[in-house]
Amino acid sequence: EVQLVQSGAEVKKPGESLRISCKGSGYVFTKYWIGWVRQMPGKGLEWMGAIYPGDSDTRYRPSFQGQVSISVDKSTDTAHLQWSSLKASDTAMYYCARPGSGEAFDVWGQGTMVIVSP
Amino acid sequence: DIQMTQSPSYVSASVGDRVTITCRASESLSSWLAWYQQKPGRAPKLLIHSASRLQSGVPSRFSGSESGTDFSLTISNLQPEDIATYYCQQSNSFPWTFGQGTQVDIK
Repeated sequence: EVQLVQSGAEVKKPGESLRISCKGSGYVFTKYWIGWVRQMPGKGLEWMGAIYPGDSDTRYRPSFQGQVSISVDKSTDTAHLQWSSLKASDTAMYYCARPGSGEAFDVWGQGTMVIVSP
Repeated sequence: DIQMTQSPSYVSASVGDRVTITCRASESLSSWLAWYQQKPGRAPKLLIHSASRLQSGVPSRFSGSESGTDFSLTISNLQPEDIATYYCQQSNSFPWTFGQGTQVDIK
């Protein structure tokens, strides 16, 4: 079964760093992009960026460039989303997803809730 | 960046009704358009890819169409389990972008 499994919920303070993960299984990890999608409480979906594990080609939405870092560990088939200094406005659900046919996200992780509060 | 303008933001219809949601792209997408359904507390689910291709396992009452830079998702014969928020998303060029979402409710 093709699946993406994300790391668990996090509660952090402003200014702290954080890395969340997304582990793929059931398919050749290096042959598909992995995207990250933010959903702030009560709001819509925002595409943050994506990485191609085969060559680590990484793309960001301009508003997220420099705010987060996307990386991949091919040895463990895991993608990461990282912050060096969290803000309260980073509080959101974060999904990883894999595009398949038509470059549409046909496989989604279960989501990682990140809460940033003093 | 390609802008996706989705409408309406909210629609309420009766069981059995036909509901249509539209997305307008700011430039050509060459059919790289997908539709998702999201229920509260759940990850989004792919319904339609390539503008009009039904994802495997999705009921046939869902359909997609395109006309130039205008795209539509139609739910024919609306069912109670279709209560959700629906999003379009373009993957023609980076950064990929989502529409603002349409909440579908039952009268």
